[in-house]
Amino acid sequence: DTAVSQTPKYLVTQMGNDKSIKCEQNLGHDTMYWYKQDSKKFLKIMFSYNNKELIINETVPNRFSPKSPDKAHLNLHINSLELGDSAVYFCASGRQQTSTGELFFGEGSRLTVL
Amino acid sequence: AQSVAQPEDQVNVAEGNPLTVKCTYSVSGNPYLFWYVQYPNRGLQFLLKYITGDNLVKGSYGFEAEFNKSQTSFHLKKPSALVSDSALYFCAVRDSGTALIFGKGTTLSVSS
Repeated sequence: DTAVSQTPKYLVTQMGNDKSIKCEQNLGHDTMYWYKQDSKKFLKIMFSYNNKELIINETVPNRFSPKSPDKAHLNLHINSLELGDSAVYFCASGRQQTSTGELFFGEGSRLTVL
Repeated sequence: AQSVAQPEDQVNVAEGNPLTVKCTYSVSGNPYLFWYVQYPNRGLQFLLKYITGDNLVKGSYGFEAEFNKSQTSFHLKKPSALVSDSALYFCAVRDSGTALIFGKGTTLSVSS
């Protein structure tokens, strides 16, 4: 069983379209994250949810909207896609109470905007 | 704000030789430090972490890291490198909001 799973793994779309990436974790964690890895491999935190509540919202265009239907799922919806949105998006999960604990990452979703 | 720096974009080492990948940190409060590895087209895999206690931390795949408070460093080490260790390595620090803040990454290349 994959601990943190993301779908789709690859996504190719046109500028202006709207797309979603889904993430699910079966580790029983209470906190989930979205990270963006750009073409230079820099990893940047975008959002974090704890028990379905938004706790981190970095400076991200409001075209990006996370949604957490329950603590095992965190989806990312992107409106009006732009070329600069092309990146690999990683979902991660962890326990907020254990601030010393590591995060577990999914395999990533590679988004290409043409 | 918490941050880590990885001063080397790339580290090259011959198989069988020891390797070191450098990381320095800047934190307010206790430093909670992590190392992750990323293989091509894969997610990040946790290697090890320093929370408190012994300054030498042992982790997965034979890796270890040395925490040095006076030098604010947390260098990743391995006594004998393998070609299969070739990958992208990230140092990270836990911030007050529970997210991990990553360094820019260091590409390790191990030649046979």
